[in-house]
Amino acid sequence: KQEVTQIPAALSVPEGENLVLNCSFTDSAIYNLQWFRQDPGKGLTSLLLIQSSQREQTSGRLNASLDKSSGRSTLYIAASQPGDSATYLCAGDTGNQFYFGTGTSLTVIP
Amino acid sequence: DAGVTQSPTHLIKTRGQQVTLRCSPISGHKSVSWYQQVLGQGPQFIFQYYEKEERGRGNFPDRFSARQFPNYSSELNVNALLLGDSALYLCASTPGIDYGYTFGSGTRLTVV
Repeated sequence: KQEVTQIPAALSVPEGENLVLNCSFTDSAIYNLQWFRQDPGKGLTSLLLIQSSQREQTSGRLNASLDKSSGRSTLYIAASQPGDSATYLCAGDTGNQFYFGTGTSLTVIP
Repeated sequence: DAGVTQSPTHLIKTRGQQVTLRCSPISGHKSVSWYQQVLGQGPQFIFQYYEKEERGRGNFPDRFSARQFPNYSSELNVNALLLGDSALYLCASTPGIDYGYTFGSGTRLTVV
């Protein structure tokens, strides 16, 4: 069974800092990997999708990478802002099921 | 374009009752999947449907069932509700395997 771990579970940083969120999965047989943001009590907002043939994706201040051989993905957030405060979830797609991590709760302090 | 829409947004039910949750995918998306998210945890996969056929089922009891209609909308049914069924139920749609998933805002179910 695929298990997805996210480290750290919680992170608090001052505004402007660059940060890295980590995601690891036990089974490298995933197809795509997607990073989401979730605000309290809300649904999931897609941030970045790394498709099966890709290793990296960038959108604005966000960059995500995927290394299937090691079973790891990282989400890099540059110049963090208070509006980035949320829970960040990674999810591996096996083709017919998404396996989610438990998330990293990020707080950016003004 | 409308995103993935779910109804109702909030629901309170009593133990033992039955509930039906609804999801309308993004236009053109033929695959719908359902997830349960308990407070403080990541979403857990319940079902996936593609072209009205079940393509995947997570580790949930038979009290959970779902179906997909010809217009690709979907319903999730939960019978004999337990307190532990209280959660945020999320629906996601995708046009296909290489396109990622778009999630709705969820239905918050509270069982009392």
